[in-house]
Amino acid sequence: GQNIDQPTEMTATEGAIVQINCTYQTSGFNGLFWYQQHAGEAPTFLSYNVLDGLEEKGRFSSFLSRSKGYSYLLLKELQMKDSASYLCAVSSGSARQLTFGSGTQLTVLP
Amino acid sequence: DVKVTQSSRYLVKRTGEKVFLECVQDMDHENMFWYRQDPGLGLRLIYFSYDVKMKEKGDIPEGYSVSREKKERFSLILESASTNQTSMYLCASSSDRYGYTFGSGTRLTVV
Repeated sequence: GQNIDQPTEMTATEGAIVQINCTYQTSGFNGLFWYQQHAGEAPTFLSYNVLDGLEEKGRFSSFLSRSKGYSYLLLKELQMKDSASYLCAVSSGSARQLTFGSGTQLTVLP
Repeated sequence: DVKVTQSSRYLVKRTGEKVFLECVQDMDHENMFWYRQDPGLGLRLIYFSYDVKMKEKGDIPEGYSVSREKKERFSLILESASTNQTSMYLCASSSDRYGYTFGSGTRLTVV
């Protein structure tokens, strides 16, 4: 089975840096994804890690350690529009189906 | 861009009704998925399909069935809707490396 843990809520200030952690236990690991979801909308793809290390994409970076079952999403220069839920998801299985964590609701304050 | 279209944005049905949720993708993806999303529980996988006429149960298949007669279309069926199936339903398709593309979701209310 799969088990994915991430914090329920986080708060940060505009312009700051925030790190959202995700730990997982899984069999048949194919990769780890981060999605962003604004209220009332569908999730949108942010990043994908399959090998250990850091993937950088503009203001967003994601890190993976497969041996530790650990990932984080780093958001820099926070903007008000970054207020959203951030979903950690692990890919496994024949169809590379995703198992999602419950999501971290990030609130960015002015 | 990949487009995944769900037929209804909002739906209200009565207890005991048979409900069909339709999903169509336009990028020839092999894999399609149905999730439900509930507060505090996140997205939970109901069923998925990796080819036409092929289907696999996800984590919470009870009370649901699916149909995939054509590659681009994946339907979720609630055989006899119940109030505990009130939820947001999300369809997705995938091409492996970049994970899923989601539809806009169907908010189903069963009364």
